[in-house]
Amino acid sequence: AQSVTQPDIHITVSEGASLELRCNYSYGATPYLFWYVQSPGQGLQLLLKYFSGDTLVQGIKGFEAEFKRSQSSFNLRKPSVHWSDAAEYFCAVSGGYQKVTFGIGTKLQVIP
Amino acid sequence: GAVVSQHPSWVICKSGTSVKIECRSLDFQATTMFWYRQFPKQSLMLMATSNEGSKATYEQGVEKDKFLINHASLTLSTLTVTSAHPEDSSFYICSATGGVEKLFFGSGTQLSVL
Repeated sequence: AQSVTQPDIHITVSEGASLELRCNYSYGATPYLFWYVQSPGQGLQLLLKYFSGDTLVQGIKGFEAEFKRSQSSFNLRKPSVHWSDAAEYFCAVSGGYQKVTFGIGTKLQVIP
Repeated sequence: GAVVSQHPSWVICKSGTSVKIECRSLDFQATTMFWYRQFPKQSLMLMATSNEGSKATYEQGVEKDKFLINHASLTLSTLTVTSAHPEDSSFYICSATGGVEKLFFGSGTQLSVL
């Protein structure tokens, strides 16, 4: 069975600081990996996805993620956080663009 | 623009009534659609998988008579919450897939049952 672990439930960073959100997955074959963001009262927005190829994936809003097969990780990074990045971030895994298993989410708070 | 349209975005209903949520793929044929539910401050959990023209497959613990799913065409799936109760209040979201690299989520529906 596929699963996703996001070890950090809540992270607080200062505006302008760098950000890394951790994600570890469990899947028997090559996974499809995603990062989604959900603002309060809003739906899901896809930040980036990994299917194959270059293990460093660039996404929207200045986010990037790196797939590390040896560590079963897909951490999300941003070099400089903006106040508008405050939201909940979900890492997710799929076996092939089918059903998606989500992590529990990491709530990001940005302080001035 | 959005490729999966979900409607309504929010709905308030009285206990005992039924509520229908629509999920439409706008510019591709969705062979499969998925319905998720998100309880407050929790992650999204898959409720069911629906394929066009066949019965939905429900995840363990999801009442199929409570949550009716119809996937009548390749662009439309509906979720009907029957005889809704306050504990059904939740955020419901659909996704549609049309094959490789075609997996998109709707914007979600916030259901509040009074």
